[in-house]
Amino acid sequence: EIVMTQSPATLSVSPGERATLSCRASQSVSSNLAWYQQKPGQAPRLLIYGASTRATGIPARFSGSGSGTEFTLTISSLQSEDFAVYYCQQYNNWPPLLTFGGGTKVEIK
Amino acid sequence: QLQLQESGPGLVKPSETLSLTCTVSGGSISSSSYYWGWIRQPPGKGLEWIGSIYYSGSTYYNPSLKSRVTISVDTSKNQFSLKLSSVTAADTAVYYCARLGRSSALNAWYFDLWGRGTLVTVSS
Repeated sequence: EIVMTQSPATLSVSPGERATLSCRASQSVSSNLAWYQQKPGQAPRLLIYGASTRATGIPARFSGSGSGTEFTLTISSLQSEDFAVYYCQQYNNWPPLLTFGGGTKVEIK
Repeated sequence: QLQLQESGPGLVKPSETLSLTCTVSGGSISSSSYYWGWIRQPPGKGLEWIGSIYYSGSTYYNPSLKSRVTISVDTSKNQFSLKLSSVTAADTAVYYCARLGRSSALNAWYFDLWGRGTLVTVSS
C-alpha cells in the first residue's frame, strides 16, 4: 500500500507571499499525482493532475512539480481565497487503489 | 452541467448499515470515460477514499474498509449507492460522491466533480 505524507501540517503565510507544500509517497508513483483544494464546508476542488497539469479554470499562480516520490504544490502569490486545506492523491496503481495524503492547511499569517 | 447529489439518513445506529445514494443529473452514469466513487471525511480530519465503481458494475474498494463496503450502480436511475455495514462512531463523517475522470493523454485519473457531501453520524 502506498502511503502519502504531506508536510507541513499547517503553513502560515502572508497574503502575496509564496506557499510551498510538499507531498511524499512511500514508493514511486511516477507522475501520477493530483492536488485538491478544500475550503471549509465545501467539497474538494481539483487543482492539478499528472503532477503538473492545471485543471480547467485553475489560475496560473498554482503550479505542481515533482515525480517519483517527491512532489510540490506552489502558490506563487497567495490570494485571500487561497487559504484552505490542500490534499494530494496518488493514482499510480489505479485500478484498484487510490490514496489521499493527510492534507496541509494554509492559514493567514 | 453534470451534478452529483448524495442522499440518505443522517443518523445511523452503531452496528447497523449505513446506506447512501448518489444521483447523477445532467449526464449519463453509463459513460465509458468515468468511474464513480465515494470518499469520506471525519470531522476535522482528512479525506479517505472508500471505493469506486464503473457503470458495468466493476468495483474497487479501499482494503481497510473492503470487508464492510458494497458499492452498486443502477444505470436505469442514473444512481450509484454505498452500503457500509457494522458501523461504529469511527464511521461518523461527511460522505462525498464524486466522478473519477481521466486524461487519456496522461493516463491520469482524478476526482473532477464532487457532490456537496452529506454528514452521517453514528450514534444510538
